[in-house]
Parts: sequence; C-alpha cells; structure tokens
Amino acid sequence: DGGITQSPKYLFRKEGQNVTLSCEQNLNHDAMYWYRQDPGQGLRLIYYSQIVNDFQKGDIAEGYSVSREKKESFPLTVTSAQKNPTAFYLCASLTGDGYTFGSGTRLTVV
Amino acid sequence: DAKTTQPPSMDCAEGRAANLPCNHSTISGNEYVYWYRQIHSQGPQYIIHGLKNNETNEMASLIITEDRKSSTLILPHATLRDTAVYYCIVRAPLNTGTASKLTFGTGTRLQVTL
Repeated sequence: DGGITQSPKYLFRKEGQNVTLSCEQNLNHDAMYWYRQDPGQGLRLIYYSQIVNDFQKGDIAEGYSVSREKKESFPLTVTSAQKNPTAFYLCASLTGDGYTFGSGTRLTVV
Repeated sequence: DAKTTQPPSMDCAEGRAANLPCNHSTISGNEYVYWYRQIHSQGPQYIIHGLKNNETNEMASLIITEDRKSSTLILPHATLRDTAVYYCIVRAPLNTGTASKLTFGTGTRLQVTL
C-alpha cells in the first residue's frame, strides 16, 4: 500500500546527542513536511520541502536540520542545540487532495 | 492561509450526530476548507474537504455557509471510535504557487460517550 513510513515509532536518546528520524514515502509526492506536537498542543511546522534538493524553514526550525536528496526520503535530524527535543514528530506529504501523515515518532531525550 | 477557530472540546452520545463547528471569517475566495482528525498518538487522518458546496463521503458531511465564513463537520452516527481531536484548516490550491504549509491549531477534542 502507498503511504508514509516513519521509523522508529519510539526513540530514546541521551541529552546532547544528535538523532535522525526517518521518513519515507512511496506516493510520488513532491512536497514533504515535518511537524512537532507537544502534549495537548496542535502541530507546529519544523521544515518543509517542495522539491528534491530544496527545503525551507518552518515556524520552529532552530535546533533541527533536514535533507532532501531523494524524492522518497526526508529525514529530520534533531541536534543537541534543540533545547526541548522530547516530543511527538510527524512527517507528511502533500498533494492537491491534502496531507498524508505518517504514524509518528515519539522521541524522548533523557 | 486563513486562520480558523474551533471550540476546544465537545461531547456526543454514541449513535447521535456530532456537529463540529469551525469559523474561518478571513477565508479567501480560492481557499478550501479541510478537516482532519487525530486519534491519540497517531498521525492525523484526512476526513473531507470542500470549497463552497456541501460535501459528503463515507466518513462525514461538510456544510459550508453561503458566505464561506464558517463550516460544520457532521459525523452522522458517532461511535466510540470517533473520539479524537478534529482539526479544521483552510488553504489555497497547490497550483497557486503558495507554499501550502498548513497551520494546525489545537482543534476540537470530541469525546463520544455511551
């Protein structure tokens, strides 16, 4: 089935370590997005990419980095500069009919 | 993209219709209204979208007022599995050249009860 795969579902890291969250899609969508969600809050946009080898900062990009070397893949790196990295991270892709979301990665930094 | 306003929470008895309102008074002429829902700890799921006509699919109905400043999502026979956070979003079509980065507010938390 076509869709977006995020892995892993749960991730634990020690404070000060960088960590990369995977997002893969087989929907042939050009635009991809990373959102962060904190408990009881809406989704906040971290980074987005409308085409391969191009990406733009969203509303809360500080402490994060991305790459878009392939259409199918849009990995997110949470760096040690991100002050509050513990959150639920959602990847999405977009066509004219709307967003398709992955199932999310819950990152806990201890 | 225009901003939306939704009540923070609603309750609905199982089997009854759930009517979830959304205000989008600054919506532009080419912006669509989208509804998504998020069940706890999962990614949001697309429900329905519309421009100005009422829409219906297997999940829900969308009623958009004539002035397009508000809309209502209707779940005709709510079940316990419909308990979720429902997000109303407006956005322009992709071919308008906008970034189409959607803004998700805090939505409406619908609790369906026995």
